[in-house]
Amino acid sequence: QKEVEQNSGPLSVPEGAIASLNCTYSDRGSQSFFWYRQYSGKSPELIMFIYSNGDKEDGRFTAQLNKASQYVSLLIRDSQPSDSATYLCAVLNQAGTALIFGKGTTLSVSS
Amino acid sequence: DVKVTQSSRYLVKRTGEKVFLECVQDMDHENMFWYRQDPGLGLRLIYFSYDVKMKEKGDIPEGYSVSREKKERFSLILESASTNQTSMYLCASSLGHPTGAFFGQGTRLTVV
Repeated sequence: QKEVEQNSGPLSVPEGAIASLNCTYSDRGSQSFFWYRQYSGKSPELIMFIYSNGDKEDGRFTAQLNKASQYVSLLIRDSQPSDSATYLCAVLNQAGTALIFGKGTTLSVSS
Repeated sequence: DVKVTQSSRYLVKRTGEKVFLECVQDMDHENMFWYRQDPGLGLRLIYFSYDVKMKEKGDIPEGYSVSREKKERFSLILESASTNQTSMYLCASSLGHPTGAFFGQGTRLTVV
């Protein structure tokens, strides 16, 4: 069974701080990685994807991938109370047909 | 914007009923998925389809079936609803290449 692991949290950070969310995966053959944000009572929303080792930046969000360590992270700079949500890490299976999700990390940003 | 629409936001059904959950996407995506989401268990894949009339079992297909007669529509069927199928059901779609999946608004199903 291929697995995606996340710390469930909650991760609490003050407004303006950097929030760091981490994810590990078991399938060494995985090639594509995604971060979703899910507000309470809502469906997941895709915020970033990354395929190559290193960093990918999009506004206040940076995704980091290290395939050798089977580790992917999401950094949120200048965290805002509106960033308070559950963040789901997802990994595309080797067949490229379906996403495997972690259970999510709950982020709470206090003003 | 991608639009994935699920037919109902909330449903209450009785044990033993046959339940149909409908999902429609408007972006000509090849792949469509059904997940269920439960507290503490996360998102679990029930079935997916990569083409019309094609389907593949996910991690938890027992008690469910699916139908994809048209590219834009993917239906999840609970053959005989049971209380342990009370859950949030999420439909998603994606292009053939790995750009991520886009979710519908979810259907919260309660089986009593």
